[in-house]
Amino acid sequence: GAVVSQHPSWVICKSGTSVKIECRSLDFQATTMFWYRQFPKQSLMLMATSNEGSKATYEQGVEKDKFLINHASLTLSTLTVTSAHPEDSSFYICSARIMNTEAFFGQGTRLTVV
Amino acid sequence: AQTVTQSQPEMSVQEAETVTLSCTYDTSESDYYLFWYKQPPSRQMILVIRQEAYKQQNATENRFSVNFQKAAKSFSLKISDSQLGDAAMYFCAYRKSNRDDKIIFGKGTRLHILP
Repeated sequence: GAVVSQHPSWVICKSGTSVKIECRSLDFQATTMFWYRQFPKQSLMLMATSNEGSKATYEQGVEKDKFLINHASLTLSTLTVTSAHPEDSSFYICSARIMNTEAFFGQGTRLTVV
Repeated sequence: AQTVTQSQPEMSVQEAETVTLSCTYDTSESDYYLFWYKQPPSRQMILVIRQEAYKQQNATENRFSVNFQKAAKSFSLKISDSQLGDAAMYFCAYRKSNRDDKIIFGKGTRLHILP
């Protein structure tokens, strides 16, 4: 199957700083990328959907100014957590899709804000 | 709105036995996709099996098969000859057939394999 690479796998940052997570489709061009958040022992919660070259569509309750998503190319999307706080600590997962196929997932990023 | 319900938070099965994980969903769409994803301890999401709603035949992938009952909106996963490597969190998921539509996940079922 297609490969989606997420970087970094884990990151620790200080409260108040920003952190960027990258999601790359390595062997295909993704028409759509999705960002999820997963709390311990819970399901994946969709945060936003992004299409290359257009603004991301955020799910209800997700702060777009806090979670900045950029989808500058068909192979790269980034999620920036701005002014991070301990409650932002979580597991973030991206997925990428070619039109009309299933989504492929990155390996996830564990964010810890101290 | 579409919803996906997994009523079994945890299940256990003896190695080499068969286990069935339940999933129901709610939608007013006639055309959609259903998936089972596996999330092992590494937390990498792995697609186990996929079913297109317009197909009457149940999908099968080696030891994994589904029982898709469209009228009942039921989509169960059967794992035959369970192996230790099958231990994971299993998520049932739904997606409309639209171009950019999102995947909606159930809450998951944690499967334990007993040696």
